[in-house]
Amino acid sequence: DGGITQSPKYLFRKEGQNVTLSCEQNLNHDAMYWYRQDPGQGLRLIYYSQIVNDFQKGDIAEGYSVSREKKESFPLTVTSAQKNPTAFYLCASRNPGQGDQETQYFGPGTRLLVL
Amino acid sequence: GENVEQHPSTLSVQEGDSAVIKCTYSDSASNYFPWYKQELGKRPQLIIDIRSNVGEKKDQRIAVTLNKTAKHFSLHITETQPEDSAVYFCAAIKDTGFQKLVFGTGTRLLVSP
Repeated sequence: DGGITQSPKYLFRKEGQNVTLSCEQNLNHDAMYWYRQDPGQGLRLIYYSQIVNDFQKGDIAEGYSVSREKKESFPLTVTSAQKNPTAFYLCASRNPGQGDQETQYFGPGTRLLVL
Repeated sequence: GENVEQHPSTLSVQEGDSAVIKCTYSDSASNYFPWYKQELGKRPQLIIDIRSNVGEKKDQRIAVTLNKTAKHFSLHITETQPEDSAVYFCAAIKDTGFQKLVFGTGTRLLVSP
């Protein structure tokens, strides 16, 4: 898990503002993922990327955007179109198809609050 | 696509008792089943996983069993301790090519002293 970092730990968003959450990994993983977790709830997939310059929508992509310009970085932007963004955001990465090396690791998370 | 159901949603046990959490999956092609533990305010961490070519795997007080025919797998925690209190998530994936883990809804385990 120590190979994935997220920043900031806490983020405050004002109405109508776009904010970007950072996710970096030094595990040389091809695949990266963003999840949203509401209090007392499970993990919902927002976006995922299997390779640089490619990404797919998950189950709740509306109001979010991502980019994957570098293998080690997968930033998530929460746009003003996301009306209820308050949640715990978790980034994860793994190496698909690598046998025992396929474990998915999570970053420490960013807690987003709306002012 | 894959669908994973997890039960129970909450589980309360006394310290020293055993705890069992069950998951069922829908895609018979799924072949990798990890379990994650998430403490309050922290990230989920892998505690044990199993592949479809084995039926059981143990790691100290934790074990996972897999029944491919019935398409269900279970997490067993023996001699529970208060520090086992957390939310546990199961997941499944068909690990050929680029796929994504499908998570269960989570089980909140409370171990009382």
